[in-house]
Amino acid sequence: EVQLVESGGGLVKPGGSLRLSCAASEFLFSSYTMHWVRQAPGKGLEWVSSISSGTSYIYYGDSVKGRFTISRDNAQNSVYLQMNSLRAEDTAVYYCARDTHGSGKMDFWGQGTTVTVSS
Amino acid sequence: QSVLIQAPSASGTPEQRVTISCSGSSPNVGNNYVYWYQHFPGTAPRLLIYNNNQRPSGIPDRFSGSKSGTSASLAISGLRSEDEADYYCASWDDSLSGVVFGGGTKVTVL
Repeated sequence: EVQLVESGGGLVKPGGSLRLSCAASEFLFSSYTMHWVRQAPGKGLEWVSSISSGTSYIYYGDSVKGRFTISRDNAQNSVYLQMNSLRAEDTAVYYCARDTHGSGKMDFWGQGTTVTVSS
Repeated sequence: QSVLIQAPSASGTPEQRVTISCSGSSPNVGNNYVYWYQHFPGTAPRLLIYNNNQRPSGIPDRFSGSKSGTSASLAISGLRSEDEADYYCASWDDSLSGVVFGGGTKVTVL
């Protein structure tokens, strides 16, 4: 069964950093584009970032550009999100999702990890 | 303000048909596929429709999608209580070079 398991969330002060991980299993991870999508409390889904299978294409949403960095390790079947200069508005549940085409077709999602930015 | 525009809520009685609209523009819906996701709070979102009108395996045929120009819609026929959830449209945006989501529509079964 396909699995995506996020980890690394927690409570961090404004200006701090956090690194999220997403461990994949039971599918050929190296063939998929991977996304991070978040949902702030009481808000809708917001796309954060994506990385293509071979890391040639990396994209960020405007709200995180310059602060967040996405990366992946195909040997470890994992994708990461390094989050720096965190703000209160980054508080959200962060999901990783796989995408067959890299165009937004996210056919499987993890259960999410919660990030809280507060002093 | 989301790039793709959805009404915040929709409702219907059991067995009714409910339609959710998603309004975009040329760089996104007008030029790329539309996807629809179902989300129950606290759980992983689920892909309902891909490539405008295709259903992944396991998605009931009560769910259908369509697209015309820069707008798309999701229809739920034979509404059931278990369909109470948030529904989001999404598409790639060529100008933003990223995925854009609608603001979500909360469906209530009366």
